[in-house]
This record gives sequence, C-alpha cells and structure tokens, in this order.
Amino acid sequence: EVQLVESGGGLEQRGGSLRLSCAASGFTFSSYAMSWVRQVPGKGLEGVAIIGASGGTTDYADSVKGRFTISRDNSKNILYLQMNSLRAEDRAIYYCAKPLRGLFTDAFDIWGQGTVVTVSS
Amino acid sequence: EVVMTQSPVTLSVSPGERATLSCRASQGVSSNIAWYQRKPGQAPRLLIYGVSTRATGIPARFSGSGSGTEFTLTISSLQSEDFAVYYCQQYNSWFSFGGGTRVEIK
Repeated sequence: EVQLVESGGGLEQRGGSLRLSCAASGFTFSSYAMSWVRQVPGKGLEGVAIIGASGGTTDYADSVKGRFTISRDNSKNILYLQMNSLRAEDRAIYYCAKPLRGLFTDAFDIWGQGTVVTVSS
Repeated sequence: EVVMTQSPVTLSVSPGERATLSCRASQGVSSNIAWYQRKPGQAPRLLIYGVSTRATGIPARFSGSGSGTEFTLTISSLQSEDFAVYYCQQYNSWFSFGGGTRVEIK
C-alpha cells in the first residue's frame, strides 16, 4: 500500500523553528519528485515547496522562500521540511503529497494525513 | 503566479441531480488541471487529472472538461457520498489551487 505519514508538527513560538518529516512507503520514493502543501484553517490549499527526485532541484512559494527548506533522504524514504523564522501565517495543516507521474509539477494521487503546525505569539 | 478561481463557492443540489463546478485560471494552463474531492478530516482525493482523465477507481459520474483558462467538473447524478468540497488545481506553472466549491444537500 502506498502511504505517506507526516510527523513533527506542534506548537512553536513566532520566530522559532520546526522540522516536519514525511515517511514514504509502497512506491519507489527515489523516482518521484515530492511536495509539501498546506491548508490554513478555513481556507484553501497552498503549495509550499517541491523537490526533484534526486533532491537536486527545489522550488518554493514566495511566502516561504528564504525561511523554509525542503530536502529528502532517499536512502531512508523520508521527505523533510525545515521551517525557520515561523510567522503567525504559517499556522496550518501541512501535507506531503506524491505526484501521480513523479513529475516536478503534477497532480497529486497520494496525500499524507497531515501534521498541524501552530505558531504562537 | 497562476490564480485559480472557483465558482460558485457553495452549490446546493438534490441527490440524483447534476452538479456543474467551474474553475478559471488567470492565464493559460494547457491541459494541466486536476480536480480533488475533500471530506472533513480527510486528505484530498484525486478525481481528475489532465482536464478529463479520471483517476484510478473514480466513478464515471465524475467528468472533467475545458481548455485554456476555463474548466468544469461535472457530477452527473449526485450520490450521498459526493457531498463534499471540491478543489481544482493547475500544475502548469508551479502549482496552485482554487478556493473550493462546497457541494451541499439541497
């Protein structure tokens, strides 16, 4: 079964840091680009970051550029999101998502259950 | 950034009726459009990709159409399990989602 399991969310102070992890199983992780998507409560979905299959290519939403870093460990099948300089507007449910065909930009056929990030002032 | 606008925000439909959801892109996105269904407490479920291709296991009552900047998701005969929020997504340039359409029971 193809599965993504996020962890690492929690309550952090404004200006603080968190590292999210996403453990992948059931597919050849190293062959797929991966993404982080977030949903602010009561609002829509927002793309956060993308990483290529080898980890050599990354891209970010303007709202997180310079503060967040996406990375991956293909030997462990884990995707990461390092979140620094957290802001109140980063409060959201963060999902990792697998692209349908492994492309850098693609529809997402598998999503994790999400991990909640709360930023306090 | 490609902005996706969905309409209506809420659609009230009776079971068995047809539902038509719209999605407009702020610029051309080729055929790189997907639709998702979202139920409370669940992750989004991929319904349609490439404008009109149903994802694995998606019933034939779901269909997608459109081109350029205007796209439509049609649910031909609403079943009880179809009442949910639906999002469109473009993946032509980065990726972005519409604000969603809530399909509720009339």
